[in-house]
Amino acid sequence: QQQVKQSPQSLIVQKGGISIINCAYENTAFDYFPWYQQFPGKGPALLIAIRPDVSEKKEGRFTISFNKSAKQFSLHIMDSQPGDSATYFCAASNSFNKFYFGSGTKLNVKP
Amino acid sequence: EAGVAQSPRYKIIEKRQSVAFWCNPISGHATLYWYQQILGQGPKLLIQFQNNGVVDDSQLPKDRFSAERLKGVDSTLKIQPAKLEDSAVYLCASSLQVSNTEAFFGQGTRLTVV
Repeated sequence: QQQVKQSPQSLIVQKGGISIINCAYENTAFDYFPWYQQFPGKGPALLIAIRPDVSEKKEGRFTISFNKSAKQFSLHIMDSQPGDSATYFCAASNSFNKFYFGSGTKLNVKP
Repeated sequence: EAGVAQSPRYKIIEKRQSVAFWCNPISGHATLYWYQQILGQGPKLLIQFQNNGVVDDSQLPKDRFSAERLKGVDSTLKIQPAKLEDSAVYLCASSLQVSNTEAFFGQGTRLTVV
């Protein structure tokens, strides 16, 4: 059973556009929701994370929107740049720091 | 701050052979994870250690996979015997404490079983 469902599988955005990636979860025990960015040949690196006591968190061009009642959260990348081209994973963890990852979204930002 | 170190970076073995991966977490990180990432998929947790004790190994195929973390620092993950479907990237990660903290990942070991 997939704990975290992520969509879309791939995304093509023009430079300067907005990239939006969505995730949904079922387990209400999750209380930490990070987004990881992964470049080819590298391990995932934390991009931004949110806890369920807030509905939005913004860091630079990256924003997480969190809807606790719908059990959904999304990543918005504003003013997308070619350097943002990577695979993005959402994740959710519980109090034991056990992370469940989504299946990933491959983002391609066209110059 | 040095990151999570893993070796080797790449490994090619024949099926039924054995292989071992090594991980050195960030200094002071009590929690260590091994993940399996199959091409095109998200990382899947194999085993989680808190110091040198196992917190979760529910998804570790124990008939062929084993892992240890002696002295609560370095860790090794072993596969014996390997199967074709074990071809994947094996990622090691560590975090500072158990609850709600960032996991830092190493670059991974790409295993190809032929």
